[in-house]
Amino acid sequence: GAGVSQSPSNKVTEKGKDVELRCDPISGHTALYWYRQSLGQGLEFLIYFQGNSAPDKSGLPSDRFSAERTGGSVSTLTIQRTQQEDSAVYLCASSSGRGVPYNEQFFGPGTRLTVL
Amino acid sequence: KNEVEQSPQNLTAQEGEFITINCSYSVGISALHWLQQHPGGGIVSLFMLSSGKKKHGRLIATINIQEKHSSLHITASHPRDSAVYICALRIQGAQKLVFGQGTRLTINP
Repeated sequence: GAGVSQSPSNKVTEKGKDVELRCDPISGHTALYWYRQSLGQGLEFLIYFQGNSAPDKSGLPSDRFSAERTGGSVSTLTIQRTQQEDSAVYLCASSSGRGVPYNEQFFGPGTRLTVL
Repeated sequence: KNEVEQSPQNLTAQEGEFITINCSYSVGISALHWLQQHPGGGIVSLFMLSSGKKKHGRLIATINIQEKHSSLHITASHPRDSAVYICALRIQGAQKLVFGQGTRLTINP
């Protein structure tokens, strides 16, 4: 596809369940970012992958959150034992990774997570 | 204190008006992004600046590195410009973006 895609677009889950959110970056983009936007709040950084380097996990809010990127392409964000405060829109972005630090990020449509 | 502050938080104007949204920051940056988020949540990158000025259609973005300030201008505003505009910083030495709270712009016909 031409842009960043995310799935599912909406996810409703019960408190305590685990969820997996998927991001397909633009083909050839080596950098991938996860962000979160809680209701009425601004965007916040979660995690960043660049090629084969160790990811920057400094934005993950708790050890219930983890992410992986297989084969340098698709990424999965996993939230274990979900809590109501995890309800948010989770956004993925990718960039070419070239010309760092000036490269532009392209955002996916997001996954709206609702924890009941 | 937040690393990035946007003003105003909300802005309502009439179609055709010249719009200015401001972004001030307190840290060293390698680039500043202006993003647009429409109702429904999709985010589009409008500009990425490290110095000077950029123009795309009716949108103009400027940055003053010494004053740690950037502005986004919209000329001849139109109702379809109604959206949340977000300033985001790429902090020196890091790859992640730090976001402002956004400016909600409403253009009335």
